[in-house]
Amino acid sequence: DTAVSQTPKYLVTQMGNDKSIKCEQNLGHDTMYWYKQDSKKFLKIMFSYNNKELIINETVPNRFSPKSPDKAHLNLHINSLELGDSAVYFCASSLSWRGTQETQYFGPGTRLLVL
Amino acid sequence: KQEVTQIPAALSVPEGENLVLNCSFTDSAIYNLQWFRQDPGKGLTSLLLIQSSQREQTSGRLNASLDKSSGRSTLYIAASQPGDSATYLCAVLYGNNRLAFGKGNQVVVIP
Repeated sequence: DTAVSQTPKYLVTQMGNDKSIKCEQNLGHDTMYWYKQDSKKFLKIMFSYNNKELIINETVPNRFSPKSPDKAHLNLHINSLELGDSAVYFCASSLSWRGTQETQYFGPGTRLLVL
Repeated sequence: KQEVTQIPAALSVPEGENLVLNCSFTDSAIYNLQWFRQDPGKGLTSLLLIQSSQREQTSGRLNASLDKSSGRSTLYIAASQPGDSATYLCAVLYGNNRLAFGKGNQVVVIP
């Protein structure tokens, strides 16, 4: 069973398009995250949700809008895609928001290429 | 600023040698430090998690140490195997619940 799954795995699209990436976790965790890993392999947090509520919103353009319909799902919608959005986007989850003894479980990543 | 640095960025070792990967962080007010493994085209897998009050953690051939006062952690992998080839990421959890990552140590173990 896949603990954290993401769809699609690969996404190739034209500049200016709108696209969504879906994430689901079957671990019963309360907290979910979106990370971006750029071409230099630097992994940086974008958003975090705890029980469907937005907790962390880093300095991310408004074109990125996360949505959590329930605590097992955290989707990422991107409007007006730009070349600089090309990256690998990782979804992750953890048991709770303030757990210092817990690790985060990562999905396999979605490789986005904007042409 | 909460920065995490990993040195060296890449290294190759012959099979059987011990691996030593270094991580340093600028802000010592950490909750925990974690080491992850990332394989090409795959997600991250947690290897070891060290609480801020701990000095080290061990799992099989892996041992990670933490010196919070000097802002350093070291991951030791004993008797390396070709299957250990991967990128190893160090991540530090701060009180604002942000996990700050280093850029990784890319390891190749040569058979």
